[in-house]
Amino acid sequence: SQTIHQWPATLVQPVGSPLSLECTVEGTSNPNLYWYRQAAGRGLQLLFYSVGIGQISSEVPQNLSASRPQDRQFILSSKKLLLSDSGFYLCAWSVTSGRQDTQYFGPGTRLTVL
Amino acid sequence: GNSVTQMEGPVTLSEEAFLTINCTYTATGYPSLFWYVQYPGEGLQLLLKATKADDKGSNKGFEATYRKETTSFHLEKGSVQVSDSAVYFCALSDINTNAGKSTFGDGTTLTVKP
Repeated sequence: SQTIHQWPATLVQPVGSPLSLECTVEGTSNPNLYWYRQAAGRGLQLLFYSVGIGQISSEVPQNLSASRPQDRQFILSSKKLLLSDSGFYLCAWSVTSGRQDTQYFGPGTRLTVL
Repeated sequence: GNSVTQMEGPVTLSEEAFLTINCTYTATGYPSLFWYVQYPGEGLQLLLKATKADDKGSNKGFEATYRKETTSFHLEKGSVQVSDSAVYFCALSDINTNAGKSTFGDGTTLTVKP
């Protein structure tokens, strides 16, 4: 069966510090991968998605970046965090089946920037 | 482009009450429709889905019917429990028009009181 892992589960970082969040998927090959941010009490904002190794599409301009060094690994990074980067970060994967993609989400990382 | 509009929350119900959470969508193609649920502090998980018009998705006592004529996918449950307290997201996916990315509503928070 497929599983998705995210770490760390929680993170408290000072403004201006770097960030690295990691997501790995097991039990599937060549998944589509996604990074979302969920601000407190808000919906999901798609940040990045990837259809293959080294292929990253950015949905919104910001000081975050993403990389996919391996087929089932997706990393979210920042060189200098802002207060507005606080939120709940969710990684998800999907495999296209027919006309639709069911998305499977990781447990999330709660980031607080102080 | 595609969009999803959900009933605004929060919704507060007593145990055993009937639940309806409205969801309407706009899509240029023929999407599949989903309901995801997010329990406190966790990632989203698929609750149910429907891939074509008039299909009914069901799971854990929840149901939703894909209504193409009204572009709706309302979530219903006949008798809610305290354990149903969560945030519910309506979503659509159509790989032909959106390259596999899903479009999510803003989420509706449900609180069920004993």
